[in-house]
Amino acid sequence: EIVMTQSPATLSVSPGERATLSCRASQSVSSNLAWYQQKPGQAPRLLIYGASTRATGIPARFSGSGSGTEFTLTISSLQSEDFAVYYCQQYNNWLLTFGGGTKVEIK
Amino acid sequence: QLQLQESGPGLVKPSETLSLTCTVSGGSISSSSYYWGWIRQPPGKGLEWIGSIYYSGSTYYNPSLKSRVTISVDTSKNQFSLKLSSVTAADTAVYYCARLGSRLRIAVDYWGQGTLVTVSS
Repeated sequence: EIVMTQSPATLSVSPGERATLSCRASQSVSSNLAWYQQKPGQAPRLLIYGASTRATGIPARFSGSGSGTEFTLTISSLQSEDFAVYYCQQYNNWLLTFGGGTKVEIK
Repeated sequence: QLQLQESGPGLVKPSETLSLTCTVSGGSISSSSYYWGWIRQPPGKGLEWIGSIYYSGSTYYNPSLKSRVTISVDTSKNQFSLKLSSVTAADTAVYYCARLGSRLRIAVDYWGQGTLVTVSS
């Protein structure tokens, strides 16, 4: 099983600042990496797929990068609605695994 | 607009079988571009993929749950279902049904609202 490790567990950021979230895979997942945003009481929302492609309707302030084992989600200028938990997810040979999540909180 | 809706008991007794159904509306479950699946989230914890199915009936399961999981599809009703046997308290979670896109590198682009299933006597 491929283990996905996200860091940091919690990120304290002021509105308008840049946030950088990391996700590391225990072995290469190529570009089969997605990012999701989850707010309390809601289902996750797809932000990024294929490591760097924004999903439909996702603002340009969200960007993804990386391949292989190291991935990054960047939120260029945090808005109030961006404070949430973010998960990465990999796909490899029909086994999907998620990272433990990064909580982005207001500083 | 595609919608997915989970249905099933919110309370299941230990050792019994958890059964949930996902009804898909606003789109066909028989689309060749998508898979359908179940993902769960224990209260206050992260996400766990349970398994997925293609409209043809091909299934893919998480090895950690494979011995207890059955996912099936009913294209005539535009539904797919989950059965998880021999449940314990560790299976208490919000269960989401989901659509996974083959063109999205198997990312989930649509989620149901989720249904909390509690395992307790």
